Amino acid sequence: DTGVSQDPRHKITKRGQNVTFRCDPISEHNRLYWYRQTLGQGPEFLTYFQNEAQLEKSRLLSDRFSAERPKGSFSTLEIQRTEQGDSAMYLCASSLLSGDEQFFGPGTRLTVL
Amino acid sequence: AQSVAQPEDQVNVAEGNPLTVKCTYSVSGNPYLFWYVQYPNRGLQFLLKYITGDNLVKGSYGFEAEFNKSQTSFHLKKPSALVSDSALYFCAVRVPYSGAGSYQLTFGKGTKLSVIP
Repeated sequence: DTGVSQDPRHKITKRGQNVTFRCDPISEHNRLYWYRQTLGQGPEFLTYFQNEAQLEKSRLLSDRFSAERPKGSFSTLEIQRTEQGDSAMYLCASSLLSGDEQFFGPGTRLTVL
Repeated sequence: AQSVAQPEDQVNVAEGNPLTVKCTYSVSGNPYLFWYVQYPNRGLQFLLKYITGDNLVKGSYGFEAEFNKSQTSFHLKKPSALVSDSALYFCAVRVPYSGAGSYQLTFGKGTKLSVIP
């Protein structure tokens, strides 16, 4: 399968702990996006990268959130000092520079106890 | 700021009947419009898009959508529903060349489609 992959698929953590998620985009895709989806809502944009450059960040991305894409390939999203409100599905997507549609991974479901 | 509205939380349709899932949008500028489908425990799957040109666009699995600029709508349609079409459908918009935010998708809340055998 050459689609977008995310790891882990599920993460349960205690409030105050740090968590890190990984996303591997489709190999030739230059753009990579992170979204967050809570129950009963559509995905909400968090941030996006073009190659290794982080070009846009949503106001939803508080100081406790940080994302990287060090070599323009995979990306990580870290949440420090997790809160119960961080419980959500975190979705990664990728696209070609010349493409309009974004291709989504299966997501990482985070539960903060 | 751009926004998307899906006025129906749930749509029920009998198998074999035509289906419509509604979407309206609000943007400044010319929108790019998308439909995605989400099955349980799976990621969003791209169905179709409108960028420019013919207002009726065709996509995967027999779905189509009609762009109506005057009504700012982009309703998803299928002539004959299948039980396997039952899923969560999301409409999304992007406004290119709008500076900050031009690559992000703004999604509606989703519409749950149930096709009854």
